[in-house]
Amino acid sequence: DQQVKQNSPSLSVQEGRISILNCDYTNSMFDYFLWYKKYPAEGPTFLISISSIKDKNEDGRFTVFLNKSAKHLSLHIVPSQPGDSAVYFCAASALTGNQFYFGTGTSLTVIP
Amino acid sequence: DTGVSQDPRHKITKRGQNVTFRCDPISEHNRLYWYRQTLGQGPEFLTYFQNEAQLEKSRLLSDRFSAERPKGSFSTLEIQRTEQGDSAMYLCASSPPSGSYNEQFFGPGTRLTVL
Repeated sequence: DQQVKQNSPSLSVQEGRISILNCDYTNSMFDYFLWYKKYPAEGPTFLISISSIKDKNEDGRFTVFLNKSAKHLSLHIVPSQPGDSAVYFCAASALTGNQFYFGTGTSLTVIP
Repeated sequence: DTGVSQDPRHKITKRGQNVTFRCDPISEHNRLYWYRQTLGQGPEFLTYFQNEAQLEKSRLLSDRFSAERPKGSFSTLEIQRTEQGDSAMYLCASSPPSGSYNEQFFGPGTRLTVL
């Protein structure tokens, strides 16, 4: 029962362009969402988060958008850089719970 | 390095053997989590500690799995009578005590291969 879904296993983007990674969730109790970035042989690294009281959060080149009615969030990276090439995981949590539910990840390749 | 550390980084064992992994969280973090990640999947929650108390366990955590955090600092995850299906990356994460929401800081993981 996959409560957080990332339907695009991979994405390729030219350097300098925008990368858009998408995530859908099914549990309406989720109210906190995060994006993690993972390089090979390393654990996931926190990137950016958003709570359900907001619909946008920005941190430098990274912006997360949340559409609660559609149960959808997206991560925008502008401009994309080759160092952004990694696997990106979307995660969700409910205030009443302690665990994060992760999507299956999207492998981003930024082409120089 | 003051991040989350895990030991060993790699473990190869034969089916039926017991294995134990260790996690050292960031020192001021009182919350500790164990996850399992298999190929092509995201991390799946196994269990959660707040200080030394194990407050939540996933259905994934069969009775062959046991986790401890005896003094509220480091944690161990033991798998008894390993099976080939236990082959995975075992990730530990920690988060600080303040606030309702906190991102979890992950260690590098222990990759288990069961032959």
